[in-house]
Amino acid sequence: GAGVSQSPRYKVTKRGQDVALRCDPISGHVSLYWYRQALGQGPEFLTYFNYEAQQDKSGLPNDRFSAERPEGSISTLTIQRTEQRDSAMYRCASSLEHVSEQYFGPGTRLTVT
Amino acid sequence: GQNIDQPTEMTATEGAIVQINCTYQTSGFNGLFWYQQHAGEAPTFLSYNVLDGLEEKGRFSSFLSRSKGYSYLLLKELQMKDSASYLCAVLDSNYQLIWGAGTKLIIKP
Repeated sequence: GAGVSQSPRYKVTKRGQDVALRCDPISGHVSLYWYRQALGQGPEFLTYFNYEAQQDKSGLPNDRFSAERPEGSISTLTIQRTEQRDSAMYRCASSLEHVSEQYFGPGTRLTVT
Repeated sequence: GQNIDQPTEMTATEGAIVQINCTYQTSGFNGLFWYQQHAGEAPTFLSYNVLDGLEEKGRFSSFLSRSKGYSYLLLKELQMKDSASYLCAVLDSNYQLIWGAGTKLIIKP
């Protein structure tokens, strides 16, 4: 079956605009994770869901960042009033259950100008 | 605080063996993962250890010592395609995955 998909793959936006990043997990996977990854670094945890419930959002940098997974499948990470420091690779991952291995999507490269 | 330490970069020769170490200090422990990440690509799962000892999977093996807060990934019969970053990640007491910065492995012919 298909792996984790993310869209858009690349997003260039002007400072102050809102952006929505989409993640479509592997079908049947309970857990879905959002990460941010800088070049040469490991993934930085942002938030995760089990089904539609957001279990942990402690990694979201500030209240401009939010995420939802309303039907327990597709998830959207929204960044409001983007700033240049938000520029990064945003990765989504899903897993069969919370403690099992995670499967990553190709990521969305966000550039804020 | 929570900390995962890995060497930043290692170099090895095609056909040889390399060991990538990972030490961790975390609030609790519920397992350790190794992932491989080629440049510009997503991380892919390699192994999971939750009990002490060696887990072997083809050319790759992973070892864990919980008392020492230590793991290593052993790669045998290195191939050029093994050039990648190798990420160590620990599941802490809250079942949150704490990631290391990764070790960039360069394979030379």
